[in-house]
Amino acid sequence: DVKVTQSSRYLVKRTGEKVFLECVQDMDHENMFWYRQDPGLGLRLIYFSYDVKMKEKGDIPEGYSVSREKKERFSLILESASTNQTSMYLCATEGQSSYNEQFFGPGTRLTVL
Amino acid sequence: QKEVEQDPGPLSVPEGAIVSLNCTYSNSAFQYFMWYRQYSRKGPELLMYTYSSGNKEDGRFTAQVDKSSKYISLFIRDSQPSDSATYLCAMKNSGNTPLVFGKGTRLSVIA
Repeated sequence: DVKVTQSSRYLVKRTGEKVFLECVQDMDHENMFWYRQDPGLGLRLIYFSYDVKMKEKGDIPEGYSVSREKKERFSLILESASTNQTSMYLCATEGQSSYNEQFFGPGTRLTVL
Repeated sequence: QKEVEQDPGPLSVPEGAIVSLNCTYSNSAFQYFMWYRQYSRKGPELLMYTYSSGNKEDGRFTAQVDKSSKYISLFIRDSQPSDSATYLCAMKNSGNTPLVFGKGTRLSVIA
């Protein structure tokens, strides 16, 4: 059973704080993704990684950075949190095969005050 | 034009109804088509997967892909209150490329 865990279910931070969201998977998947999900806007891809130490920008990378030092761990960093980054953040993993099912974590609801 | 268009709903149907959910897309290179189901306060989970054109059936669920029309559908027969969720279509090219998601359709099945 694939397990994708995220460090917090709910998080409240202040404007300007540096925020770390962690995602850990136990399935030895190469590919990992960070999305945010907002009402009316759906899932939007922030960053993704197809290998350790590798990262690619998604559709909305501005204001975010990522770190992937180990295969099983992919961190999303908000360098200076702003109120428009209040959202649900979802991490996903995927094996490198022709059948690319993405497995999602439970999500982190981040509120920036 | 967005790459993937999906009516957000909400869609409300009585228990036992047949539900039809749809997405259109513009990228003719898409080869893999998926439907994810997301319950409230949970992450999405894969429901159906189809490669290229055709139909796929799994219990009460049928996925259809019409590549000539760039149109995919998910049918739910004998809908149940437990089917109440948001349904997201997703698709991708071959190779290591990210999934492209629709915005999701929120479905409520009323007992």
